[in-house]
Amino acid sequence: AQSVTQLDSHVSVSEGTPVLLRCNYSSSYSPSLFWYVQHPNKGLQLLLKYTSAATLVKGINGFEAEFKKSETSFHLTKPSAHMSDAAEYFCVVSEAGTYKYIFGTGTRLKVLA
Amino acid sequence: ETGVTQSPTHLIKTRGQQVTLRCSSQSGHNTVSWYQQALGQGPQFIFQYYREEENGRGNFPPRFSGLQFPNYSSELNVNALELDDSALYLCASSLSLAGMAYEQYFGPGTRLTVT
Repeated sequence: AQSVTQLDSHVSVSEGTPVLLRCNYSSSYSPSLFWYVQHPNKGLQLLLKYTSAATLVKGINGFEAEFKKSETSFHLTKPSAHMSDAAEYFCVVSEAGTYKYIFGTGTRLKVLA
Repeated sequence: ETGVTQSPTHLIKTRGQQVTLRCSSQSGHNTVSWYQQALGQGPQFIFQYYREEENGRGNFPPRFSGLQFPNYSSELNVNALELDDSALYLCASSLSLAGMAYEQYFGPGTRLTVT
C-alpha cells in the first residue's frame, strides 16, 4: 500500500533563509511524487513533480525536490524563503499510471520577517 | 487556457439534505477526480471519473455519488448529509492517455457546511 509521511506539521523560517520540508513515502511500485501548495482559502497549486526522469526536480517559485530511492524520501527545498511562501504544503504519492493521489497530512510553513 | 472551476464557492445545508457540487475541467483534460478536505487535514480521495464512468473510489459510502458529462465536466452528489460531511470539496482534472494518468490540476474548492 502507498503512503506518505510529512515529518513536520509546522516549520518556521526567517525570510531569506533556506526552507526544508521533509517527506517520506512508501510505494510497492515505481511512484510518481508531487508537491502541492495551498494558500489560505485557496485550491491546491502544483509546485513540482517526479515521474522517474531526473531525480532532482525543479519547480515553480524557486522550489526543488530530490528523489532518493534508497531513503524513500522526496524533500522540498528552497534556498531563500519569501514572505509569500507562507502556506500549507502537501507531499503526494501516486503509483505510476494510476488515478489515485495519496496526500500527506501537510506542513504549515511560516515565514518570519 | 481556462483552469478548473467549481461552483458554488460556499454553501450551507442542514443534516439529512442532499447537495450537488459542480466542476468544469481544464481545457484538454478528460479525467476528473474529487477530494474531501476536512479542516486541518490533507485531501482524501473520493472517486475519479473517466469517459463518463467511475474509474476508482476511495473509502466513502455510496451516498457519495458522481457524474461526468460528455464535455468532461462533473458533479458530486451527497445524499443524507451528516455533520461530518462539512469540509472543502476539491475537484481536480487531468489528462489520461494510453493507461497513463498525468498530474492533476485543482479547482478552488467548494466549502460545504452542514448544520
